[in-house]
Parts: sequence; C-alpha cells; structure tokens
Amino acid sequence: DGGITQSPKYLFRKEGQNVTLSCEQNLNHDAMYWYRQDPGQGLRLIYYSQIVNDFQKGDIAEGYSVSREKKESFPLTVTSAQKNPTAFYLCASSAIAGGRLRWNQTQYFGPGTRLLVL
Amino acid sequence: GDSVTQMEGPVTLSEEAFLTINCTYTATGYPSLFWYVQYPGEGLQLLLKATKADDKGSNKGFEATYRKETTSFHLEKGSVQVSDSAVYFCALLTSNTGNQFYFGTGTSLTVIP
Repeated sequence: DGGITQSPKYLFRKEGQNVTLSCEQNLNHDAMYWYRQDPGQGLRLIYYSQIVNDFQKGDIAEGYSVSREKKESFPLTVTSAQKNPTAFYLCASSAIAGGRLRWNQTQYFGPGTRLLVL
Repeated sequence: GDSVTQMEGPVTLSEEAFLTINCTYTATGYPSLFWYVQYPGEGLQLLLKATKADDKGSNKGFEATYRKETTSFHLEKGSVQVSDSAVYFCALLTSNTGNQFYFGTGTSLTVIP
C-alpha cells in the first residue's frame, strides 16, 4: 500500500541532544512538509521541500534542520537549539504535476511522532 | 496574508445530533478549501475538499460548501456518531503559496452516546 511512514512513534530527547525524526513516502510525491502540533493548537509549518536537494523554511524553522537527499525521504532534526521541543510532529507529502505547481494538490499525512524531553 | 479562522471548541454533542463547525478564510486569489480529521494519537486524514466557488465536498456523511460571497466553508453532518469524535481542521491552499497549506487551529468534537 502507498503511504507515508514516520518513525519512531515516540521519541525521547535529553538536554542538549539532537534527535532525528524519520519520514518516508512511497507515493512518488515531489513535495514534502514538516508540521509541529502543540496540545490544543493547530499545525505550524516547520520546513517544506518541493524538490530533491531543495527546501524552504516555514513559520517556525528555528532550532530545526532538514535534508532532502532522496525523493522518498525528508528527515527532520530537532537540534539542541530548540528549547521547547515537546510536541507532536507530522510529516506530509503532496504531488506537483508536470513540473509546475498545481495549487489544488491534496496533502497526505503520516501518523506522527510524539517527541518528549527527559 | 492568507489565513483560516475556525470555530473554537471543544464541541460536545449527543449521538444523532446535527453538527456545524464554522470555518472562514482570508485569501488572495482563488483558494482550494479542505477539511481534515485527526483521530486521537494519529495523523491528519483528508475528509473532503472543494476547489472552486459553489463546489460541495462530501464524504462519510459530512458536507461543506465553498461560499465565496461569505468566504466560508462550514462543515456539517446531519447525524453524528460516537465514532466521529475527533479534531477537525479547516485548511486552505492558494495559487499564491504554491503547495503550502494554511490550517485552522482545529475544533475538538466529542460525541456522547
């Protein structure tokens, strides 16, 4: 089945530690995204990528980094500079048709990773 | 800038009650509008969408009509079930933002038997 997988489901971070959240998709989507969700709040965009080896900052990129070496993968690193990392992290992907952005493409989400600080 | 304003929750309804969750938007250009649902501990799932004015999206008994004159996309269901308990997010996507979505803050719905 096609879809988006995120791992791990739960992740614990110690003070001063960098941790990496995995996101993989086999939907052949060009665009991928990372969102952060805090309790009782909506989604905030961290980073997005519309093509391999290119990515853009979202609204809350500080303290995070990403890479896009493969179309299928878009890992997110939560660095020690992120002082309040406890949240639910959601990865998403969408198609971009014909090399030109089609603005009515739906986003598909993974199951999420919950990050907790020890 | 582009944004979505969603009805605040939480909303608690009895089974078989009528549901409305309000969503209004601000956007330049001609946005597509979406409703996503998030069940406890899971990611978001697309519930329905509408890509132009007067379109009605529908799925699983839920409906929403894209009203350009009122810049709204309210979610409705005639008879809710306990299994509909979840958080519902309204979202928009405009040609100005490429593939970047703007999400509302979410509305938590609890349906009691």
